[in-house]
This record gives sequence, structure tokens and C-alpha cells, in this order.
Amino acid sequence: SQTIHQWPATLVQPVGSPLSLECTVEGTSNPNLYWYRQAAGRGLQLLFYSVGIGQISSEVPQNLSASRPQDRQFILSSKKLLLSDSGFYLCAWRATGNSPLHFGNGTRLTVT
Amino acid sequence: AQSVTQLDSQVPVFEEAPVELRCNYSSSVSVYLFWYVQYPNQGLQLLLKYLSGSTLVESINGFEAEFNKSQTSFHLRKPSVHISDTAEYFCAVTDTGRRALTFGSGTRLQVQP
Repeated sequence: SQTIHQWPATLVQPVGSPLSLECTVEGTSNPNLYWYRQAAGRGLQLLFYSVGIGQISSEVPQNLSASRPQDRQFILSSKKLLLSDSGFYLCAWRATGNSPLHFGNGTRLTVT
Repeated sequence: AQSVTQLDSQVPVFEEAPVELRCNYSSSVSVYLFWYVQYPNQGLQLLLKYLSGSTLVESINGFEAEFNKSQTSFHLRKPSVHISDTAEYFCAVTDTGRRALTFGSGTRLQVQP
């Protein structure tokens, strides 16, 4: 069966520090991968998605970036965090077509 | 462009009462629709989905949703809620041409004893 791992679960970082969140998927090949952000009291905002190694699409301009160095690995990064980057970050995968998204357990990021 | 509207940000209800969480979408093409549930500090879990066929879909824990194309709606219902149903519920839409799901802003269901 397929599983998705996301870490760390919680993270507290000072403003201006770098960020690296990692997500891996097991049990499937060539998945579509996604990073969403959920701010307090708000819905989910799609940040990035990837349909293959090295292929990244950005949905919103911001100081975050994403990379996919391997087929089942998706990394969210920032060189300098802002206070507004605080939130709950969710990684997800799906197969092609009409299949649903499968989410990781999320990372709660607090920028202080 | 697609969009999803969940008009109710919070729905308080007493235990064993019925509940309906509303979801409306806009899209110019045929869509696939999903409901997800999120418990505190966890990721989202798929509750049910409409892909094609019967417009009434059901989950294993008593929820159901009906796809209404003319009203562009996909409301979620449960005839009798439990305390354990307290969570946030998200409606989402996609189509064959899109890579990602578009989510509504969520509805917080609060079941009171």
C-alpha cells in the first residue's frame, strides 16, 4: 500500500532563517506531488505541484521554493523565513486523472 | 477557473441531530468532487468522492453527499452525528485537465452533547 511521510511534525524558526521540509511517498511510482499551506482559520492554498523529477509548478509568488530531486521526494525550502510564512504545511500525492489527493500529517511551522 | 464555496464556516449541532454542510462549485467543464475531513493537527483524510455514475455517494461512517449538476452543489449530510464527528470538513473539486484540487475554505463541525 502507498504511504506518505512528512517531517518534521512541528518546527519553530526565527525570522530570516532557512527552511527545509521534506516529504516522501512509498508504494507508488511517478506520483503527482503537492505542497499546500493552511493558515489559521483559512482553507488550503496550493503552493507547488510536480508531475515528475525536476518539474515544479508554482501557484503563487512568494519566498518559498520547491524541488523534486527524486521520483518520490518533494522538498519545500526557503532561504529567509518571514513571519507570514507561519502555518500548517501539507504534502500530498495523487496518481493521474481523477484520483483523490492523499495527504501527509502536516508540519506546523511557527516563525518567531 | 474553478472555485469552491463553503458558505458556513462553523456549524454547531447537538449529538444525534442531522447535519448538512453545504458546498457549491463553479467550473466550465465536467468535474470530480471530494469531501475531506481534518482532525486537529492532522492532515486531511478523504471522506468520499464523486467521479461518475450515481450522484449519491456514501462514506463508511454514515456521511453521504449528492452531486447536483444543475445547482452545482455537492452538499454533505449525516442523519445523526456523533461527538467524534467534530472536525473540519473541506470540499474540493478538480477536472481531467487540472493537476491539482481546488479546496473550499472549510466548515468546522462542532457536535455538542
